[in-house]
Amino acid sequence: AQSVTQLGSHVSVSEGALVLLRCNYSSSVPPYLFWYVQYPNQGLQLLLKYTTGATLVKGINGFEAEFKKSETSFHLTKPSAHMSDAAEYFCAVSESDSWGKLQFGAGTQVVVTP
Amino acid sequence: EAQVTQNPRYLITVTGKKLTVTCSQNMNHEYMSWYRQDPGLGLRQIYYSMNVEVTDKGDVPEGYKVSRKEKRNFPLILESPSPNQTSLYFCASRQGYSYNSPLHFGNGTRLTVT
Repeated sequence: AQSVTQLGSHVSVSEGALVLLRCNYSSSVPPYLFWYVQYPNQGLQLLLKYTTGATLVKGINGFEAEFKKSETSFHLTKPSAHMSDAAEYFCAVSESDSWGKLQFGAGTQVVVTP
Repeated sequence: EAQVTQNPRYLITVTGKKLTVTCSQNMNHEYMSWYRQDPGLGLRQIYYSMNVEVTDKGDVPEGYKVSRKEKRNFPLILESPSPNQTSLYFCASRQGYSYNSPLHFGNGTRLTVT
């Protein structure tokens, strides 16, 4: 069975500073990994995904994430935070034999300060 | 515009009064799913549907029912709501059954059961 752990339920960053959101997973088969973002009063939107191939994946709005199998991690980064990045971020994992069932982490709320 | 539409956005009801939350998608997606979002728990899957007349339980199905009589619609039914079903609910859809397709989310329904 798969599971996802996001470290830190709240993260505060200064505008222009690095954004780093941590995600660790457990999976018994090769995982497929996703980051979703939820802006206030909206549903979730896909930021980026890793399925196979290159382990560094780029997403929308300048975000990227690196799949590290040895560390079972899929941390999300953005070099320079913008005020518009304030949102809740969810890491999710799907196993290749699970008909695409997604297991979500608990979420990390990002606050960007001027 | 491609979208998943949920109604209502906000709903306050009393214990035991049956209610239905509607979900409709205009993308001809086979897969549809319902999630509930609670603080500190992320999103948990309630029910999902692979196609018309094909539904199955997710992680937290107790107290909920669904039906899939048409491809575009996937209503969530609470026959006898209880206060522990107070939550934020999301409907989502996806092309095909595979992890590779991103989920498209509705904007959510905030339900309060008193």
